[in-house]
Amino acid sequence: GAVVSQHPSWVICKSGTSVKIECRSLDFQATTMFWYRQFPKQSLMLMATSNEGSKATYEQGVEKDKFLINHASLTLSTLTVTSAHPEDSSFYICRVRQGPNTEAFFGQGTRLTVV
Amino acid sequence: RKEVEQDPGPFNVPEGATVAFNCTYSNSASQSFFWYRQDCRKEPKLLMSVYSSGNEDGRFTAQLNRASQYISLLIRDSKLSDSATYLCVVEGYQKVTFGIGTKLQVIP
Repeated sequence: GAVVSQHPSWVICKSGTSVKIECRSLDFQATTMFWYRQFPKQSLMLMATSNEGSKATYEQGVEKDKFLINHASLTLSTLTVTSAHPEDSSFYICRVRQGPNTEAFFGQGTRLTVV
Repeated sequence: RKEVEQDPGPFNVPEGATVAFNCTYSNSASQSFFWYRQDCRKEPKLLMSVYSSGNEDGRFTAQLNRASQYISLLIRDSKLSDSATYLCVVEGYQKVTFGIGTKLQVIP
């Protein structure tokens, strides 16, 4: 069964609105959660890395004020896309790791369409 | 040069064929290597890890060549259900890089 639950699996929103995506680890406490974005026919691109109880580390070119990440507990991380625009339409996916040198698991992904 | 390079394909092969994919990486200090399978609009799922000694899992064989900095995936006796995108993943110190993926289409 799934060890990581991500939802919603898809969402359509209007330009200017905000969308929150949740990622939960079901069977273990996750010290580290990664958020990726994948545009069509492109590779998964790391957006940010979040560790429980601390601020997320964003990759170069990713706006931290636009993509708010909260890792409030060892089982939950959220990504909020604020003031979404059509160019934010993409497949967003979390990846969860229990600890260093352990296997990481993907969430099911969220397909965001901004109209 | 991209950190991880793959031929995006698509590779169209008949059922029962043997197909091989390669993936090259630029960072010689990379430590771990994986092949993931991603179905359309789904999350990637780990197919297998790749070791220098090579590893085999049923119809799938993965190889790592550190000297030439590439990894390979061989699929024997292709099934229709093997149709997917195969992602090469290279992990270094605190960094994981995904390839663009190679699309495989197995044709009846």
